[in-house]
Amino acid sequence: AQSVAQPEDQVNVAEGNPLTVKCTYSVSGNPYLFWYVQYPNRGLQFLLKYITGDNLVKGSYGFEAEFNKSQTSFHLKKPSALVSDSALYFCAVRDGGGATNKLIFGTGTLLAVQP
Amino acid sequence: GAVVSQHPSRVICKSGTSVKIECRSLDFQATTMFWYRQFPKQSLMLMATSNEGSKATYEQGVEKDKFLINHASLTLSTLTVTSAHPEDSSFYICSPRGYGTEAFFGQGTRLTVV
Repeated sequence: AQSVAQPEDQVNVAEGNPLTVKCTYSVSGNPYLFWYVQYPNRGLQFLLKYITGDNLVKGSYGFEAEFNKSQTSFHLKKPSALVSDSALYFCAVRDGGGATNKLIFGTGTLLAVQP
Repeated sequence: GAVVSQHPSRVICKSGTSVKIECRSLDFQATTMFWYRQFPKQSLMLMATSNEGSKATYEQGVEKDKFLINHASLTLSTLTVTSAHPEDSSFYICSPRGYGTEAFFGQGTRLTVV
């Protein structure tokens, strides 16, 4: 069965510092990995995805993620955090290659960026 | 990104009444609709998956007679919480999907049953 794990419930970082939100995955077959962000009382917004190709994926709002097959990780990163990046971040894996296959979400990591 | 409209954003209802939540895909055809439920500070839990014109497939532990899903058209799906109870209070999110599209999400509906 496909699954993702987010080991940190919360990540605290000072504004201007680099941030990392961790995600590890367990899949059978090719991984289809995603990052989403959720602001309070809002739905999820797509940040980026890895399907195939370059291991470093660039996404929205200056975020990027590195796919590491040997470590089965897909950590989300940003070189310089903004206070407005404070939100709940979800890593997800798609259950199969079809575009309409369901997404399986991690437990979420709350990112708090202090001014 | 695609435009998804979920309505209402917030609803308060009395215990025993029913509430209908609408999810519309405004600029693409949603062949598949996913409905999620999210408790405070927790992840999204998939409730059911529906394909346009077909009956929904419910995840284990989700009562199909309590959470009625209708997906009669490619642009509209509804989730009706029947005979709501306080334990049904939650944040409900729809996610329409079309062929070749990524997952997009509605804004969510905060349901409070009193």
